[in-house]
Amino acid sequence: QVHLQESGPGLVKPSETLSLTCTVSGASISSFYWSWVRQPPGKGLEWIGYMFSRGSSNYNPSLKGRATISEDPSKNQFSLQLTAMTAADTAVYYCAKYDEDPESDALDVWGQGTPVSVSS
Amino acid sequence: SSDLTQPPSVSVSPGQTARITCSGDDFPEQYSYWYQQKAGQAPKLIIYKDNARPSGIPERFSGSTSGTTVTLTISGVQAEDEADYYCQSADSRDNHVVFGGGTKLTVL
Repeated sequence: QVHLQESGPGLVKPSETLSLTCTVSGASISSFYWSWVRQPPGKGLEWIGYMFSRGSSNYNPSLKGRATISEDPSKNQFSLQLTAMTAADTAVYYCAKYDEDPESDALDVWGQGTPVSVSS
Repeated sequence: SSDLTQPPSVSVSPGQTARITCSGDDFPEQYSYWYQQKAGQAPKLIIYKDNARPSGIPERFSGSTSGTTVTLTISGVQAEDEADYYCQSADSRDNHVVFGGGTKLTVL
């Protein structure tokens, strides 16, 4: 049973960098694609990007290069950094695992989500 | 990436059939996926690759495609099905994931 758990600060100041970590249990992060998705209060889901082990990554162009997803295989974790935070980045942030089927883009396991507010 | 368009809300009585549509230019070439999100919870995958159900998802949930529109059908709706439902696809050119705006299903 794969389990994902997000961690990070609940509050960041405008212009600062958000750092979130997703701890994976029940699977090796070297074996799958991993993603971050966010959901502003009362709104829909927004894909942030994905990574695969050893450097492959892809990001939502709407974030204009502010997002970076990286891995720490020694801890079986992957992380999100989002720079130049503004109030528009206030959201619940989810980490998720891609389906192992190479033909599928399904996000089949999700973390519980962590709320992040941007305020001075 | 292609936008995915869903109706904001759908309402049905218990036992009836609910149909939630999702339109996008990348269908039918790209697969569709559906997620259920109950209040205060993370999204849950309920349909993948247009019409496949993950283990544990009840048979009353089904997916179908017709041209550029995909449909989530919930047969014999139950009170516990009240939730937000999101469709998802991926752009064939750059693998960017796209979500629909979500549909709130109300069970009357």
